[in-house]
Amino acid sequence: SAVISQKPSRDICQRGTSLTIQCQVDSQVTMMFWYRQQPGQSLTLIATANQGSEATYESGFVIDKFPISRPNLTFSTLTVSNMSPEDSSIYLCSVAPRSQGAGTVTGELFFGEGSRLTVL
Amino acid sequence: LAKTTQPISMDSYEGQEVNITCSHNNIATNDYITWYQQFPSQGPRFIIQGYKTKVTNEVASLFIPADRKSSTLSLPRVSLSDTAVYYCLVGDFANTDKLIFGTGTRLQVFP
Repeated sequence: SAVISQKPSRDICQRGTSLTIQCQVDSQVTMMFWYRQQPGQSLTLIATANQGSEATYESGFVIDKFPISRPNLTFSTLTVSNMSPEDSSIYLCSVAPRSQGAGTVTGELFFGEGSRLTVL
Repeated sequence: LAKTTQPISMDSYEGQEVNITCSHNNIATNDYITWYQQFPSQGPRFIIQGYKTKVTNEVASLFIPADRKSSTLSLPRVSLSDTAVYYCLVGDFANTDKLIFGTGTRLQVFP
């Protein structure tokens, strides 16, 4: 298993500003993922962040808006840039602690508690 | 990744067995079926995963018919604390850890 800490847990921001969300894991993991969940909705994958390489963004998400850093195997940040009220959401960090390999089936991710962002 | 279809919501009472069915008609040979549970203000939590037939763990059972075009998550004797959203995911998890969530099923358990 993995224990994930996210900061901040919640924040209220002004339109046009940027906020950086931190994700700290208690063990080294190769793959980290950032999701967004709007109120009452399902989760939407923003990007995959592997240590030592550029993040891979899903359709509809761009690096200029959601820059991601992954400096080591236990930490990542997601920045929500130039925020608008439409960015109000919960942002979740998740990790896949089990390594992939022949005969290994994963599909089990561990999630942080999320960062609830409100943009006024 | 195969598209999944689940009921939007379900109601049940304490002590009953709840079965949530997920349709995945386009499931591929290498795809596994995984279920997650999410409580309000928390991240999703892995419940169970299977490939075919039946899988059981301490919290749930997963039934998968031979054609694998659907699956059923079975929660025995639910309690109020099982009120949550349940997500069915299908994918080649041996080659990717990326999870694409569908709409999920909101289960409400009443006293």
